Amino acid sequence: DSGVTQTPKHLITATGQRVTLRCSPRSGDLSVYWYQQSLDQGLQFLIHYYNGEERAKGNILERFSAQQFPDLHSELNLSSLELGDSALYFCASSPYVSGNTIYFGEGSWLTVV
Amino acid sequence: SQELEQSPQSLIVQEGKNLTINCTSSKTLYGLYWYKQKYGEGLIFLMMLQKGGEEKSHEKITAKLDEKKQQSSLHITASQPSHAGIYLCGADPPGGYNKLIFGAGTRLAVHP
Repeated sequence: DSGVTQTPKHLITATGQRVTLRCSPRSGDLSVYWYQQSLDQGLQFLIHYYNGEERAKGNILERFSAQQFPDLHSELNLSSLELGDSALYFCASSPYVSGNTIYFGEGSWLTVV
Repeated sequence: SQELEQSPQSLIVQEGKNLTINCTSSKTLYGLYWYKQKYGEGLIFLMMLQKGGEEKSHEKITAKLDEKKQQSSLHITASQPSHAGIYLCGADPPGGYNKLIFGAGTRLAVHP
């Protein structure tokens, strides 16, 4: 158990819908990261928040957004869902902004039908 | 942009055999991470290497980062079925922020 908690574990939704994935980082960690893992793209970095502020963006679609709240939990919002958005979404956390080990949660399986 | 290439893509070994997985970067590595993933599950952190020539071991797994910091290897000694899974190398790109990029992974199967 990495200490990073993600909910829900599984989610099935229809195209065009919107979903929210939630992440609670390890106790004391200030950084939260979101990754997407799909069969064809592998593990892709989406976005990084540190202490409530966005620090880095990766291959995140405009239909996706994220935020980190004052209590440090984070949410990833996925809207206007398409079949291709079906993937395993990981949240990860680390203590600082860079140069330290990142611990991953178990992931949220999203299936868009 | 930096890319990580892992080899082999997949590996099947007999229990008790040694094996090596490689991770090669197109640019200098500023931090190299090894993770293990069971299919459809989370990534388990194995080791992090930062200095050229650095070597770390945990139980039967040893990871090395070459002097030029462009290649890393993960070596498993006397493999066991519990070692089966997908091994991913990840790296910090230049810039300092933790937006790890990952290789495509190496799928390891260990047959009893």
